[in-house]
Amino acid sequence: SQQGEEDPQALSIQEGENATMNCSYKTSINNLQWYRQNSGRGLVHLILIRSNEREKHSGRLRVTLDTSKKSSSLLITASRAADTASYFCATEGNTPLVFGKGTRLSVIA
Amino acid sequence: DTGVSQDPRHKITKRGQNVTFRCDPISEHNRLYWYRQTLGQGPEFLTYFQNEAQLEKSRLLSDRFSAERPKGSFSTLEIQRTEQGDSAMYLCASSFSSGGDEQYFGPGTRLTVT
Repeated sequence: SQQGEEDPQALSIQEGENATMNCSYKTSINNLQWYRQNSGRGLVHLILIRSNEREKHSGRLRVTLDTSKKSSSLLITASRAADTASYFCATEGNTPLVFGKGTRLSVIA
Repeated sequence: DTGVSQDPRHKITKRGQNVTFRCDPISEHNRLYWYRQTLGQGPEFLTYFQNEAQLEKSRLLSDRFSAERPKGSFSTLEIQRTEQGDSAMYLCASSFSSGGDEQYFGPGTRLTVT
């Protein structure tokens, strides 16, 4: 079963705009990770945030984690056409990574 | 560092046949994971190894599925008596040391059962 639920399921924005994706989960976790998947390809790790962290930045990415609400958000600033992909949150607790269904992001040039 | 590789990239088989996939992890990684991904879904965990020991198997891994990592390096995933419901992308990933590390994914093997 999949623990994470991303919201929205699909997002379409113009190049240069910011994109925000949310993830909710059900059980306690050690860390939460975000991955990107281009069409028909393997996943690429973007960022990991541990349960005792609240916010993390990496380049144009900003991730927040609210363990009291069991939710996380991924913000991509100044989006580019190359950011078009599916984005998955994955939680790690007592079991290996459990992925959500993903958000399909389309960035229109 | 050549990354995680998987072979074959595509496999078409007839229902009832057996198939075997191979995964070569990043050489210094001691953890290796198998996932299955169907269209429009996120990857679903199947099993993982630490070195040669298989530490956990998902309920998704029926008796028809078996995975090995005989020398703690490459791994194989075999599906016996394939069914149409086995059609999916099979992803392999590896990581260094214990949990809390990012996983590096291979390109996947796309299985089509006709």
